[in-house]
Amino acid sequence: AQTVTQSQPEMSVQEAETVTLSCTYDTSESDYYLFWYKQPPSRQMILVIRQEAYKQQNATENRFSVNFQKAAKSFSLKISDSQLGDAAMYFCAFHGSGNTGKLIFGQGTTLQVKP
Amino acid sequence: DAMVIQNPRYQVTQFGKPVTLSCSQTLNHNVMYWYQQKSSQAPKLLFHYYDKDFNNEADTPDNFQSRRPNTSFCFLDIRSPGLGDAAMYLCATSRGFGYGYTFGSGTRLTVV
Repeated sequence: AQTVTQSQPEMSVQEAETVTLSCTYDTSESDYYLFWYKQPPSRQMILVIRQEAYKQQNATENRFSVNFQKAAKSFSLKISDSQLGDAAMYFCAFHGSGNTGKLIFGQGTTLQVKP
Repeated sequence: DAMVIQNPRYQVTQFGKPVTLSCSQTLNHNVMYWYQQKSSQAPKLLFHYYDKDFNNEADTPDNFQSRRPNTSFCFLDIRSPGLGDAAMYLCATSRGFGYGYTFGSGTRLTVV
């Protein structure tokens, strides 16, 4: 069975600085996608960034980028120039071709941004 | 804008009194999901529909049921809510493998 592990329950970063959130996963599948979702307090969960396992190039979306290490099964999220609005819970998620469309979430990391 | 809409945003129900949560989408996505999320935890999948095909998670209590009368709507029925069922309930949709989910804003259920 696939598992997703986020080992940092809480992180904090100073406004305008860079922070990296860690995620590791375990799977025997070769075809899969990885995602980072952001869930602000009492607000909707939104997709931050998406990575296809077959693509070696790391995905980037504005200030958000990933470091995808397929052999190590690692998928970290880097947030550059952190803003107060980045404060949220971040979930790493795995979507394998063999699991009938089900996203498997990590436990989440709560990010605090200090002014 | 195309979106996923959950109603109501907040729901208070009495212990043991049936309650229905609703979800609608304008995205025309094939797949709809219901997740339960308790405070500061990861969402837990209850069930999902691929078109009309219903898929129940093995550990979803029998107390939870779902209906999908058409592509746009999906309902979560809790037949006899207990105090442990108080949670945020998230509806999500997807076009399919690899596309990720679009989430609704959630319904926060309180059981009194």
